[in-house]
Order: sequence, then structure tokens, then C-alpha cells
Amino acid sequence: NAGVTQTPKFQVLKTGQSMTLQCAQDMNHNSMYWYRQDPGMGLRLIYYSASEGTTDKGEVPNGYNVSRLNKREFSLRLESAAPSQTSVYFCASSELLGRSYEQYFGPGTRLTVT
Amino acid sequence: QQQVKQSPQSLIVQKGGISIINCAYENTAFDYFPWYQQFPGKGPALLIAIRPDVSEKKEGRFTISFNKSAKQFSLHIMDSQPGDSATYFCAAGETGGGNKLTFGTGTQLKVEL
Repeated sequence: NAGVTQTPKFQVLKTGQSMTLQCAQDMNHNSMYWYRQDPGMGLRLIYYSASEGTTDKGEVPNGYNVSRLNKREFSLRLESAAPSQTSVYFCASSELLGRSYEQYFGPGTRLTVT
Repeated sequence: QQQVKQSPQSLIVQKGGISIINCAYENTAFDYFPWYQQFPGKGPALLIAIRPDVSEKKEGRFTISFNKSAKQFSLHIMDSQPGDSATYFCAAGETGGGNKLTFGTGTQLKVEL
């Protein structure tokens, strides 16, 4: 039971390049999320998917697109990377159980855009 | 706009002391208030959570105090240990609609011997 996995762990891009961050969960959760973490800013929600087949914008969606490929997988795409997108990206998944909806986080992808 | 404000940004506590981190929220629709702990190089992990129908929740050395009228909640770590050194995030969420969470900006806690 791997939980939430993310690939790659590290990536360096040049301005204007594109890439896709991959995320998969094996907990059969309905909801999945993409966050970015920057110093002093906490975790900010980029996009989320409440259930398979749906995606919605979060707090900071500009410059990103997402795909909920199936119930397990939720990818984040940067079409034209910018230095402002240098960050650590976390994927998470959750399910409402009783009165709790713990979000389980992956190990993160550290992205540098030069 | 920052819907969940967290303070302090950093905190140094002596071993055995009490660590206190505070958060305030604005959205009265929030009905779920978790705290997450993050170690360097790792993703955040749920530490403890509370719903607004209780004013306090305790799990081991960790306690959440909740003040609904003031729209504030805090994390108390009793008998703080060096292994508690980590970054702590408060969060607030509204059940339903994807169960999103809004996170505070984090508190870097260091527990010294």
C-alpha cells in the first residue's frame, strides 16, 4: 500500500518548457488535489478533483492544467513554465469518513524553472 | 486573500516546554479544523483535527483549543520534544464540494535540548 506517489521527485526546466507532474493513489479515494508550497506562503491549492470526471480551480490555477485520468491518477501540466512556478508541488487525496476527511499527501516534486 | 492566518512564523521552545501555535479564520462556513505536521523533505501529515461542536480535543501531548465566537483555534504541544521539531500548518475546511482545505502559512517549530 504505497499511499500517494508522485513523479518525478526533482525537475529543472527552462522558461517556456512544458512538463507534466504525475500523481497516483491506491487508497480508492474519490477526491484528489494539487498544491504548491512556497516559503512563507503555506500550501496553496492549484486544482482539485472532487470525484472522477470532475476538476475545479483552486486558489492559484493560472499557468496550470490538470487531468483526472481515472480514479487513481491526477496529473498537473505546466504548458509554458515560468520562474514564478519554481516551487514544491504536492499531490493529495482524501475521502470523507464519518466527520473527518484527512488529506494524504505524496512526497512532493521539487521544480526549478530557470 | 488569506482566509486562515497563522502565528507565529517560527518558534523555539526548550525541551519539556509548551509550544503554542495560533490560527484565526474568517469564513464562518468552515466546519473542520485540522493541524498538519511536516518534516523536511516530506509531505504534510495529519496530526489532529477538531469540529466546531467541541471546544477542545486532546490526543496524547497534542491539544486543539477552539473558540467559535472568536473564530480562532490553537495547537498546544505539551512536554515538547526535539522530535517535535517540524513545520506545523493549521487548516480549515468546509465539508462537501470536494472537501477542500485552506491552509495557514505554517509555523517552524524548533525544540532545543
